[in-house]
Amino acid sequence: DIQMTQSPSSLSASVGDRVTITCRASQGISNSLAWYQQKPGKAPKLLLYAASRLESGVPYRFSGSGSGTDYTLTITSLQPEDFATYYCQQYYSSPPSFTFGPGTKVDIK
Amino acid sequence: EVQLVESGGGLVQPGGSLRLSCAASGFTFSSYPMSWVRQAPGKGLEWVSVISGSGVTSHYADSVKGRFSISRDNSKNTLYLQMNSLRAEDTAVYYCAKDLLQNVDYIDGVLDYWGQGTLVTVSS
Repeated sequence: DIQMTQSPSSLSASVGDRVTITCRASQGISNSLAWYQQKPGKAPKLLLYAASRLESGVPYRFSGSGSGTDYTLTITSLQPEDFATYYCQQYYSSPPSFTFGPGTKVDIK
Repeated sequence: EVQLVESGGGLVQPGGSLRLSCAASGFTFSSYPMSWVRQAPGKGLEWVSVISGSGVTSHYADSVKGRFSISRDNSKNTLYLQMNSLRAEDTAVYYCAKDLLQNVDYIDGVLDYWGQGTLVTVSS
């Protein structure tokens, strides 16, 4: 099974900051990586897929990059509504087994 | 507008059974694979199971294999999760989620719409 790790597990940032979250897979996943945002008490929301493709309606301050086993989510100019927990997810496995990372909580400094 | 509404959660004793439902609307249900994802209290997301749009193919996480069964009724636009031999560690909010890609038999795994979740508590 493919294991996913994220770093950091949490971070504190201010409005306007640039934030980068890293996700690492235990083996290459060929850009089959999605990022989700979850706020307390709410369902996750898809932000990006295929490592760097922005989901419709998601602000351009969110971007993704990476290849092989290492991927990043970047938020340029953090906004108040961006304080949340972020999860990466691989969907490369065959047969399907969609592993999520442990999450990164972004809170207000 | 895509809507996914889960139901069927509740309190069940260890070893018991429960069936969750997810009523879908706003899209051609039979054309999309559907997944169940769960989240234990205060914990991260755990994928549970996925079923193809046709219902022919399904896959499970090792943690639920042999105990849970996913199914769908495309005539009723409803997804199900039959949970048997429940354990305390199955306690979680269970979400149903829709695949991004429209394909009756190919499962992609990107989940673009999620329901609000239903809480399952396994306790004596």
